[in-house]
Formats: sequence, structure tokens, C-alpha cells
Amino acid sequence: GAVVSQHPSRVICKSGTSVKIECRSLDFQATTMFWYRQFPKQSLMLMATSNEGSKATYEQGVEKDKFLINHASLTLSTLTVTSAHPEDSSFYICSASPSHASRGQFYNEQFFGPGTRLTVL
Amino acid sequence: RKEVEQDPGPFNVPEGATVAFNCTYSNSASQSFFWYRQDCRKEPKLLMSVYSSGNEDGRFTAQLNRASQYISLLIRDSKLSDSATYLCVVSRQAGTALIFGKGTTLSVSS
Repeated sequence: GAVVSQHPSRVICKSGTSVKIECRSLDFQATTMFWYRQFPKQSLMLMATSNEGSKATYEQGVEKDKFLINHASLTLSTLTVTSAHPEDSSFYICSASPSHASRGQFYNEQFFGPGTRLTVL
Repeated sequence: RKEVEQDPGPFNVPEGATVAFNCTYSNSASQSFFWYRQDCRKEPKLLMSVYSSGNEDGRFTAQLNRASQYISLLIRDSKLSDSATYLCVVSRQAGTALIFGKGTTLSVSS
């Protein structure tokens, strides 16, 4: 299957700082990437849909000014948690959906990054 | 009501047991259905897609009933390595976001 990387894998930061998380599709192009968040013992919740070259679409209840998403190329999307607070501590996971051009064998499959565990002190 | 609901679990079974997980989804427009597996503190990994005709992959069998909006996963001859959280997942169409159930935890013991 296709590979998605995420960096960093773990972040510990002080309250009030901003944290940037990168999501890269390594061997395919991804027109669309998704950002999810998972709190302990909870399901993955979609935060936003990131579209290459356009603004992200945020789910209800997710503050777009707090969670900045940039999808500047077909292989990279970034999520920046601005002015992080302890309640933002969570497991952030991205996934990438292959573009039509490379969908072929990957039809209808999404590929997940390994996740970033954010702890805000 | 959550869009995807699963058995609450946890399921604690001995090696060799057969275990079944159930899932219901509320949006009749859902087009694609999956079972994912998630190990502790890891990302979810696709276990299998679920088709209307039912499908099998080794010890795993998935069933979909569109009329009842019901999905199931059967695991036969459970192994210790099957211990994980199993996530029922739907999407409305190819390339759109996945909607996850809360997951059912399986613990297989020797």
C-alpha cells in the first residue's frame, strides 16, 4: 500500500506555544488529506478536510483560526495548533486519499499517517 | 445519535474462540464500508473493506446489510495477535472523509 508520513511523532510543549504537524504522502499524490483527532478511549473525529490549493473545510465545532491547515502541494499538508492549551492534548492523525490520477489500485482507500501525540503542559 | 455505532465491548475471549462484532450506521447515503484495526497508541490500519455480497479474508468475514444499515465482522480461531480495537468505518463516497465508530476492544488470552 501507499505510505503516509507524519512529523513529529510526539510533541510536548508549554501552554501558549504553537505546534506544527506535517503530513506527507510519500509515493502518491493526494489532492485531499484529512485531519483527525482522537482523545483517549474515543473514536477518531474528523477535524477538517484539506484540499490542495484551496481552503480547508472544517467540521462543526473546530476553530479554523486555532487549527490552521495548509495544503500547498499534492504531497504535503500541515496542521498548526496555535496557542496550544492542555485541552488540545490529543492524538492527531492525518490521512491521504490518492488523486484520481493515481487512484488505480488504491481505489477508495485512505492511508493514515502514524499520528502525532501532542501533550500541552 | 452517532452516525456509526458499535457494540460497546470489551470482548475478552480465549484463543481459538469465534467472536462477532456488530455495527450500525445511520446515514443511508453511505457508500463505502470498512473495518479498521487500531492497536494501542497507533494509527488505524485497514483490515478489510465490506461489500454487499459479503467477503472473507482468511479468518475474517465481513457482512453488509444495506436494508438494515448493519455491518458485521466475524473472527474465527482467534489469535493472541488479534487483540486490538476494531473500528467500524463508513464513508459517503470515494475520496471523502471516513466516519469512525468508537471501536470495540478485543482481548484474546491464552
